[in-house]
Amino acid sequence: NAGVTQTPKFQVLKTGQSMTLQCAQDMNHNSMYWYRQDPGMGLRLIYYSASEGTTDKGEVPNGYNVSRLNKREFSLRLESAAPSQTSVYFCASSNEERIQPQHFGDGTRLSIL
Amino acid sequence: DQQVKQNSPSLSVQEGRISILNCDYTNSMFDYFLWYKKYPAEGPTFLISISSIKDKNEDGRFTVFLNKSAKHLSLHIVPSQPGDSAVYFCAASDDKIIFGKGTRLHILP
Repeated sequence: NAGVTQTPKFQVLKTGQSMTLQCAQDMNHNSMYWYRQDPGMGLRLIYYSASEGTTDKGEVPNGYNVSRLNKREFSLRLESAAPSQTSVYFCASSNEERIQPQHFGDGTRLSIL
Repeated sequence: DQQVKQNSPSLSVQEGRISILNCDYTNSMFDYFLWYKKYPAEGPTFLISISSIKDKNEDGRFTVFLNKSAKHLSLHIVPSQPGDSAVYFCAASDDKIIFGKGTRLHILP
């Protein structure tokens, strides 16, 4: 019973490098989300996908792109990483019609040097 | 401008007593409120929610109270247990969801 799985768990990048954070859920949920959490801050929505084939911007989308590859998978891409993108990234899923994450992955801790 | 505020960064409560976590919001359009719990190195876990048409929702040891006139909600945990030590996030939504910064709850033996 995996729930929401994120890979990798940790990553260190240099400024300007690119990478893709992977997320998969096995609960047949329609909605998937990407959040970032910074020290002393709440979770902030980067992008979400209400269903396969659709994506929408959240509060802090700049510098990121997403792909809803299929119902299970929702990836987050940093094309040119910047130190301001150092954060913990959480993927989440839900079957709620409104934007309401229910199940979260354990996070990807990303450091940009 | 913070739309969802958790003004207590931390709270310590004796095991067995009641824990009360507070949350204030500014946007009167919020119509749904949620609480999440987070352990270190894990993702948040959804705990309990309440619609704006209600003023109380209870689930086992957890009760959420909503005071719309004061734009205030609270989470009560009774009785508090060691496993309740975690960071608790309040969140509010209209069409998008906004999270507070969290309150770290320590349950003391």
